[in-house]
Amino acid sequence: AQKITQTQPGMFVQEKEAVTLDCTYDTSDQSYGLFWYKQPSSGEMIFLIYQGSYDEQNATEGRYSLNFQKARKSANLVISASQLGDSAMYFCAMRPRDDKIIFGKGTRLHILP
Amino acid sequence: GAGVSQSPSNKVTEKGKDVELRCDPISGHTALYWYRQSLGQGLEFLIYFQGNSAPDKSGLPSDRFSAERTGGSVSTLTIQRTQQEDSAVYLCASSFSREGPQHFGDGTRLSIL
Repeated sequence: AQKITQTQPGMFVQEKEAVTLDCTYDTSDQSYGLFWYKQPSSGEMIFLIYQGSYDEQNATEGRYSLNFQKARKSANLVISASQLGDSAMYFCAMRPRDDKIIFGKGTRLHILP
Repeated sequence: GAGVSQSPSNKVTEKGKDVELRCDPISGHTALYWYRQSLGQGLEFLIYFQGNSAPDKSGLPSDRFSAERTGGSVSTLTIQRTQQEDSAVYLCASSFSREGPQHFGDGTRLSIL
């Protein structure tokens, strides 16, 4: 069965520190995509970063990077030099090859000044 | 604009009434998803359209919920005989292909009195 697990319901991090948000997944497919989305308190869902299962290098987008460990089936999001504006809900998602995308339950990140 | 457009942005209605929520995806996007999100919760998958394939309706919570996608573009989510537990934000997302990242609309906040 396809599954996404985010084990951290909430996190508090000091501003300017790096943050790692955990995500593990389960799929029998060899080809799949992994995504991270940010949802601020205003409610919009913002696409952050994508990793394909066959990509050999970890994806990076500005301060965001995806720590992809295929053998462990983990796709943790790393935010470097956190900012107050990073406070939001973060969702990990997986799209198996022949099925619809599925989302984790999310991690609420609070950046402290 | 060029993004996913949802209307209305807010809808307040009495219990027992029918409601229609509209989603106008990004032009050329073949995949369209509907989700429901209760306050502070994750995304609940409702229905998925991909090109001309039969939609995946596996997430619809009851037969009071239905959705159409006309001409491979605009989609309408209909809730009949609304109940108070239907109160939530209904999010629509589209993607260029099955593999691409989803782009979300701002959602419709539905309140059932």
